[in-house]
Amino acid sequence: DTAVSQTPKYLVTQMGNDKSIKCEQNLGHDTMYWYKQDSKKFLKIMFSYNNKELIINETVPNRFSPKSPDKAHLNLHINSLELGDSAVYFCASSQGNGPRGEQYFGPGTRLTVT
Amino acid sequence: AQSVAQPEDQVNVAEGNPLTVKCTYSVSGNPYLFWYVQYPNRGLQFLLKYITGDNLVKGSYGFEAEFNKSQTSFHLKKPSALVSDSALYFCAVRDGGSQGNLIFGKGTKLSVKP
Repeated sequence: DTAVSQTPKYLVTQMGNDKSIKCEQNLGHDTMYWYKQDSKKFLKIMFSYNNKELIINETVPNRFSPKSPDKAHLNLHINSLELGDSAVYFCASSQGNGPRGEQYFGPGTRLTVT
Repeated sequence: AQSVAQPEDQVNVAEGNPLTVKCTYSVSGNPYLFWYVQYPNRGLQFLLKYITGDNLVKGSYGFEAEFNKSQTSFHLKKPSALVSDSALYFCAVRDGGSQGNLIFGKGTKLSVKP
């Protein structure tokens, strides 16, 4: 059984388009995250939701909008895609948003903007 | 502000030899420390964590890590490396005294040769 799943796995699109990435977890966790991994493998948090409430919103362009319809899902919508948005986007989940809990990551979505 | 450093971009080890992947951290409160592994084209997998207690923490796949408060280090170790251990390893830290994010190091590529 897949614990944290993301769709699509690969996404190739042109500049200016709008796209969405979906994430689902079946671990019963109440906190979910979006991370961006750049071409140098540097990993940085973008957003975090706890019980469908936004709790972390790092310095991310407002073209990126997360949405959590329920505790098991966290989607990422990106408007007006730019070349610099090309990266691998990882969804993750944890039980609670405290510092002790480990996070479980999805397989990633490789976004390529041309 | 919290930070984590992985001083080596790559570590090369012969199969059967012991391995060490280095990590140092900086936090203002108590550190909560994690190691994750990323295999090619996969998401991150949790290996182990230090919250409190024994300085030697045992994790998945025979890995262990030693917490050293005076040196602010949390090095990952394994007594006998396997070719299948070849992957990208990330150290991460979270400040127990705040609601700060999980901060990742830049990653260390481990290459185990037969």
